[in-house]
Amino acid sequence: DGGITQSPKYLFRKEGQNVTLSCEQNLNHDAMYWYRQDPGQGLRLIYYSQIVNDFQKGDIAEGYSVSREKKESFPLTVTSAQKNPTAFYLCASSYGVGAFFGQGTRLTVV
Amino acid sequence: AQSVTQLGSHVSVSEGALVLLRCNYSSSVPPYLFWYVQYPNQGLQLLLKYTTGATLVKGINGFEAEFKKSETSFHLTKPSAHMSDAAEYFCAHFGNEKLTFGTGTRLTIIP
Repeated sequence: DGGITQSPKYLFRKEGQNVTLSCEQNLNHDAMYWYRQDPGQGLRLIYYSQIVNDFQKGDIAEGYSVSREKKESFPLTVTSAQKNPTAFYLCASSYGVGAFFGQGTRLTVV
Repeated sequence: AQSVTQLGSHVSVSEGALVLLRCNYSSSVPPYLFWYVQYPNQGLQLLLKYTTGATLVKGINGFEAEFKKSETSFHLTKPSAHMSDAAEYFCAHFGNEKLTFGTGTRLTIIP
C-alpha cells in the first residue's frame, strides 16, 4: 500500500539529548514537510523540502534539523537546542497541491 | 503573505443538526483551500479541496464546502451531524510551496 510511515509512534527523550524522527513515503512525491502540533495552536511548519538535497526553514525551525538524501525519506532531528520539544509531530508529502499525512509521532521529554 | 482563520475553537451540535465550521483566508495569490479532519492521536485526513472550477466542493463523509471569493471564506458544512463526526477539523491554504493551517476547530456531537 502507498502511504507515509512515521516512526516511532511514541518517543521519550531525556533533556539534553538529540532524537531523530523517521518519515518515509512510497508515493513518489517530490515535496515533504514536517509540522509540529500543540493544543490550541494548530499545525506549525518546521521544515519543508521540494526536492532531494534541498530544504527550507519553516516558521519554527530553531532547534530542529533535517536532511533529504533520498526522495523517499525526510528525517527530523530534534536537538537539545529545542527548549520545549514535547509535542505531536506530523510528516506530510505532496504531489503539488495538497498533502498526505503520516500518523504522527508523539515526543515527550522526561 | 497567506493566512487562515478558523472562527470558533470549539463547536458543539446535536446529533442530526447542521454542522457549520467557519474558515476565512487571506492570500495575495489564487487560493488552493482544504479541509482536513483529525481523530485523536492520528494524522490528518483530507476531507475536501478547492483548486479551480466549481465553488461548491463535495467531500467524504457527507461534508461540503463553498468557496466564496467575495467573502474570502471556505466554510465547511454537513446537513446532519453524526456521532462519528466528533473530531478536530483544520482549514488549510496552499501557496508559495507551503500548506498553512488554521488553529483548528474541535467538533463535539451531543447525543
